[in-house]
This record gives sequence, structure tokens and C-alpha cells, in this order.
Amino acid sequence: GENVEQHPSTLSVQEGDSAVIKCTYSDSASNYFPWYKQELGKRPQLIIDIRSNVGEKKDQRIAVTLNKTAKHFSLHITETQPEDSAVYFCAASRGTLTFGKGTMLLVSP
Amino acid sequence: GAGVSQSPSNKVTEKGKDVELRCDPISGHTALYWYRQSLGQGLEFLIYFQGNSAPDKSGLPSDRFSAERTGGSVSTLTIQRTQQEDSAVYLCASSFSGLAGNEQFFGPGTRLTVL
Repeated sequence: GENVEQHPSTLSVQEGDSAVIKCTYSDSASNYFPWYKQELGKRPQLIIDIRSNVGEKKDQRIAVTLNKTAKHFSLHITETQPEDSAVYFCAASRGTLTFGKGTMLLVSP
Repeated sequence: GAGVSQSPSNKVTEKGKDVELRCDPISGHTALYWYRQSLGQGLEFLIYFQGNSAPDKSGLPSDRFSAERTGGSVSTLTIQRTQQEDSAVYLCASSFSGLAGNEQFFGPGTRLTVL
């Protein structure tokens, strides 16, 4: 089955800095890669996703890149703000989702 | 419209008891998923229902875990003879279809504590 590795497990940045979270996957048949944000005590919510026929996708301060050959995908957050503080999960799918273990992002004012 | 709802929000039970957790998906969503999230861990897939097809039970950790989905809507996850290691947040999600690329919408979860 699919295996998703996510790094780092924790990430602390200063407000205004960029943050990058990286994931690798094992199943070359996976074709959908969503990222979820989970604030403390809240449910996970989709923030951006990318499909395997696309290499990069942007939405305001958030971007995701995908390297199918290397089976890597990354989340990039620019101009971080304190409200970006949360746990971020990557996932890979060709049907059901397999999640990484999450990255706790802390943005300090 | 309403999102995915789950009940109860919290459940405390004694070791060895059975528990039932309920999920109400978004109306019209044919796919329903159950996940387990332990403290500081990612989301562990448990079971997936798609329409009237046989469910994908490949993530269920033991035969003490079972789930059903009645009428293609509400789902119940049952844990028999609960153990302390079953303590976790159980999340339900639904999507318009089970095809990759369909956003999964999560419920608020049920926090299960087994004493």
C-alpha cells in the first residue's frame, strides 16, 4: 500500500518568513495530493490540492509543488502570519487518502 | 447546507465495554470514510464506503472494529471490548464520490477515552 513520509514534524518561524513542508510517497499510481490544515481542537480542512498532471499550483500565499519522478511534493507558505499556526497534513491518493504524520507549524509574532 | 456531523463529541468508557460512534455525512455524498487520530499522530484510515459497493475494510486494526452504513447515508463505527489503546479521536469524512480528487470534508470527531 501507499506510504507517506512528512518532514519536519515541527517547524517554528517568525512572522513574515516562509515555511516549507515536504512529503514523499511510495505508490507511483497515486494521482491526487491534498494538504489539510488542522487547528487545535478543530477538524482538518483542505487548504490546497494538486493532481498528478500539474507540477505547481498557487493560491495567494500558499503553493504546492509536485515532482512525480522523485515522488516528492511540498507545501510552501509565504509571508507567514500567526494564524497560520496549526498542524498541516499532506496526503496521497488514488482513491482513499494516506496521510503523513503531520507538521506542527508555529508562527511567532 | 450542514457539514459532516458526528456524535457523541466525547465518549468515556471502561475497558471491555462496547461503543458506537455515529457519522452523518453531507447530503448527496456517496463516499464516507472513517479515520482514527491518536495524540500527535496523523490520520489513520479505518474503513471506506462508496455507494452500495462492499466497503474497503483494509484499515480496521482488529476484528473488534466494525462499521456499517445504512441506506447510503448515516454510518456507525462499533468498537467491541474496548481497550485503552483504542483511545483516540475518531474522524468521519465524506466526499461527493470516491474518485481521487474529490475533496473529503471532515466532521468534528468523537474523542474516545477508554479507562
